[in-house]
Amino acid sequence: AQSVSQHNHHVILSEAASLELGCNYSYGGTVNLFWYVQYPGQHLQLLLKYFSGDPLVKGIKGFEAEFIKSKFSFNLRKPSVQWSDTAEYFCAVNARSTDKLIFGTGTRLQVFP
Amino acid sequence: DTAVSQTPKYLVTQMGNDKSIKCEQNLGHDTMYWYKQDSKKFLKIMFSYNNKELIINETVPNRFSPKSPDKAHLNLHINSLELGDSAVYFCASSQKTGGSTDTQYFGPGTRLTVL
Repeated sequence: AQSVSQHNHHVILSEAASLELGCNYSYGGTVNLFWYVQYPGQHLQLLLKYFSGDPLVKGIKGFEAEFIKSKFSFNLRKPSVQWSDTAEYFCAVNARSTDKLIFGTGTRLQVFP
Repeated sequence: DTAVSQTPKYLVTQMGNDKSIKCEQNLGHDTMYWYKQDSKKFLKIMFSYNNKELIINETVPNRFSPKSPDKAHLNLHINSLELGDSAVYFCASSQKTGGSTDTQYFGPGTRLTVL
């Protein structure tokens, strides 16, 4: 069965610090990969996605993620975080053979000014 | 323009009651979903409908019954509400592209509290 794990449950950073959030998945076939963000009290919004092609994907608000197939990983990065990045971040994986989007448990990011 | 909308935003009710949550999408998508987000923020798919046909039913108690009157609407009816049903319920929609499901777009969520 597919599963997604996010290693960091709670990350606390100061503004301008660099961010990397880990995401690993278990599935042997072809997958689509996503990072969603949920700002406090709001719904999930898509940050970026990987379907095929260049494994380094750029998303909105300066975020990027790299798909490393050999490591089954899709880590999210941002070189310099801002206070407004405070949110919950979810990695999600969708096996091409199914319609199911499997979410990781989420990482809560707090950025202090 | 709201892409995926849900009503109500908040729902507080007593145990044993029956309630419904409505979802509508104006994106022209043919697939819609219901997700449950628990108190620890974990998101899990409950149901998926494609063109009004049930595709995914993830071991959800049969007190939960989705209904899709047309492909733009997917409502969730819950009978005999229990304390454990308290959660945020998210509706989502997507379009199939080349046989594979594309990005899912989420609604604002409905926070259900069962007392």
